[in-house]
Amino acid sequence: DTGVSQDPRHKITKRGQNVTFRCDPISEHNRLYWYRQTLGQGPEFLTYFQNEAQLEKSRLLSDRFSAERPKGSFSTLEIQRTEQGDSAMYLCASSVDTITGELFFGEGSRLTVL
Amino acid sequence: GQNIDQPTEMTATEGAIVQINCTYQTSGFNGLFWYQQHAGEAPTFLSYNVLDGLEEKGRFSSFLSRSKGYSYLLLKELQMKDSASYLCAVIQAGTALIFGKGTTLSVSS
Repeated sequence: DTGVSQDPRHKITKRGQNVTFRCDPISEHNRLYWYRQTLGQGPEFLTYFQNEAQLEKSRLLSDRFSAERPKGSFSTLEIQRTEQGDSAMYLCASSVDTITGELFFGEGSRLTVL
Repeated sequence: GQNIDQPTEMTATEGAIVQINCTYQTSGFNGLFWYQQHAGEAPTFLSYNVLDGLEEKGRFSSFLSRSKGYSYLLLKELQMKDSASYLCAVIQAGTALIFGKGTTLSVSS
């Protein structure tokens, strides 16, 4: 399978704990995106990378959220001191290095904060 | 910033035609995408418009009017499997793709 893969697919945690999600993009894709989606809503942009450089981060994103893409390949999204409002599906997507490149999404990592 | 509006829900019957509208307000427009998302699954690409006019791809067509900040997705010969959420998304220069809230389409027999 050469699509975008995310791990873990499901995570249940207690409020206050830290969680980390991993995304492996399609190998030839330079751009990698993180989105968050709650039920009945469209994906909400969090941040994106071109190679290892983080080019944009949503102004709505709390400083409890941090993302890395250290070698320009896989990426991690960490949420510190989780809150119940962080419960959502975290989607990763990748695309080729053009402004209008189609996004290919992974299956997502579902986070439940108790 | 960007503002993207689309209806929350629509219903239609098998074999019919449905049009899902999307209006947007943005600067530095670089194109509009439509994605389909079945419940519990990831979004998948349907179409991309950057110039005014109609793009046809099988049973699906997408239209764009940049001067009006308006697009629609037209689905013909509806099938039950078309029941899904349809996401309108806009890209500006130098930013990532921004999605609307999506339109949930229910197709009944």
